[in-house]
Amino acid sequence: LAKTTQPISMDSYEGQEVNITCSHNNIATNDYITWYQQFPSQGPRFIIQGYKTKVTNEVASLFIPADRKSSTLSLPRVSLSDTAVYYCLVGERSNDYKLSFGAGTTVTVRA
Amino acid sequence: GAGVSQTPSNKVTEKGKYVELRCDPISGHTALYWYRQSLGQGPEFLIYFQGTGAADDSGLPNDRFFAVRPEGSVSTLKIQRTERGDSAVYLCASSLNPYTGELFFGEGSRLTVL
Repeated sequence: LAKTTQPISMDSYEGQEVNITCSHNNIATNDYITWYQQFPSQGPRFIIQGYKTKVTNEVASLFIPADRKSSTLSLPRVSLSDTAVYYCLVGERSNDYKLSFGAGTTVTVRA
Repeated sequence: GAGVSQTPSNKVTEKGKYVELRCDPISGHTALYWYRQSLGQGPEFLIYFQGTGAADDSGLPNDRFFAVRPEGSVSTLKIQRTERGDSAVYLCASSLNPYTGELFFGEGSRLTVL
C-alpha cells in the first residue's frame, strides 16, 4: 500500500475554502485515492474517490495532478459542522479492498 | 435505522475478562469489516468477512481475538483474557461492493479495560 503524508492539523473560518493536500509519492498504477471524514464519536464516512484529474460531488472536490504523486481535497465554504478529521487513503481497488488509515488531518473551523 | 448498528456503545471490563462486541451491518451488505481505533490514531484493520467466511484475518493482533459471522449478517468480535492495551474503539463497517472503496461504518463500541 502506498504511504500517504498529510498535515496533522489545519485551521479555517466559516465560509472559507479548505484545501488539504496529501502526498503519495509511490502511488501505483492501479491505485485509487479515497478520502474519508470522521466526526468525534462516529465512524469514518466516505467523501470522495478519484483516479486522475478532477472529481466533484455535492460535498467536495478532489484534484489529482497528472503525475498522481499528490492529491488535494477541497471543501468549499466550510461551516462549523465541517470540523472533523480527514483521511487520505491510497490503494488498489479489489473485492476485498481494505482501507489503510493514517493519522489524518484535523480540520478545525472557527466562527 | 438503515445504518450499521454496534452494541454495546460502551463496555467497561476488568483485565482478564471475556468480551463480545456485536455488529449488525446494513441489510444486503455481504462484506463486513472490523477495525480498531486508539485515541488520536486512524482506524486499524482487524478482519474482513465476505459472507460467512473470514476472507482476511491478518489484522487480528493475537489469538485472544476472534470474530464470527455465522449467517452472513450479524458479526461478533470476541476478545478473551482482555488486557489494558485492548482499550480502544472497535468499529464495524459493511459494504455492498468493496471494490468501490466505500465502506459504511457504525459508531463503534468503546472498550475500556481496567
